[in-house]
Amino acid sequence: AQSVTQLGSHVSVSEGALVLLRCNYSSSVPPYLFWYVQYPNQGLQLLLKYTSAATLVKGINGFEAEFKKSETSFHLTKPSAHMSDAAEYFCAVSEGTSYGKLTFGQGTILTVHP
Amino acid sequence: GAVVSQHPSRVICKSGTSVKIECRSLDFQATTMFWYRQFPKQSLMLMATSNEGSKATYEQGVEKDKFLINHASLTLSTLTVTSAHPEDSSFYICSAIKDRGNIQYFGAGTRLSVL
Repeated sequence: AQSVTQLGSHVSVSEGALVLLRCNYSSSVPPYLFWYVQYPNQGLQLLLKYTSAATLVKGINGFEAEFKKSETSFHLTKPSAHMSDAAEYFCAVSEGTSYGKLTFGQGTILTVHP
Repeated sequence: GAVVSQHPSRVICKSGTSVKIECRSLDFQATTMFWYRQFPKQSLMLMATSNEGSKATYEQGVEKDKFLINHASLTLSTLTVTSAHPEDSSFYICSAIKDRGNIQYFGAGTRLSVL
């Protein structure tokens, strides 16, 4: 069985500061890992994905994430936060199959203040 | 691109009525679609996997007679909430996979409010 834990339901940063959203996963097989962003009353937009290629994955809007197998982590970072980054972020895992179902973490709400 | 359209975006209905939500892949064929439910301030919970031309696979605890899923074509899946009750009020989101790949593309969601 697969699971995802996002540490911190709320993260608050200043505009221009580093963004770090934490995600740890559990999977019995090599996982596919995803970060999605959700704006209020909207669906989810894919930020980036890890599918067993490069461990450092670059996504849209300046976000990146690093897959660390030894730590079972896939933390999301952005060097400099922008006001428009304020949203809820979900980490998700798919258990290795090419079109498997996703298990989502609890979500982290990112607040960016001036 | 890979655009998934979900309709309606918001629906309010009386208790006991049925509501149908449509999920369409606009620019690709989707052999597999997923339906999720999201409660306020919570994560997405997978309800069912919808495969074109076959019966949906429901997650444990999801009533298949309550939440009817039909995937009649490669671009359309529907979720019907039958005899809706206030506890069915939630945000329902669909997703679709393109070309049997590993990325799910999500619709914008449907806010269901049952009075």
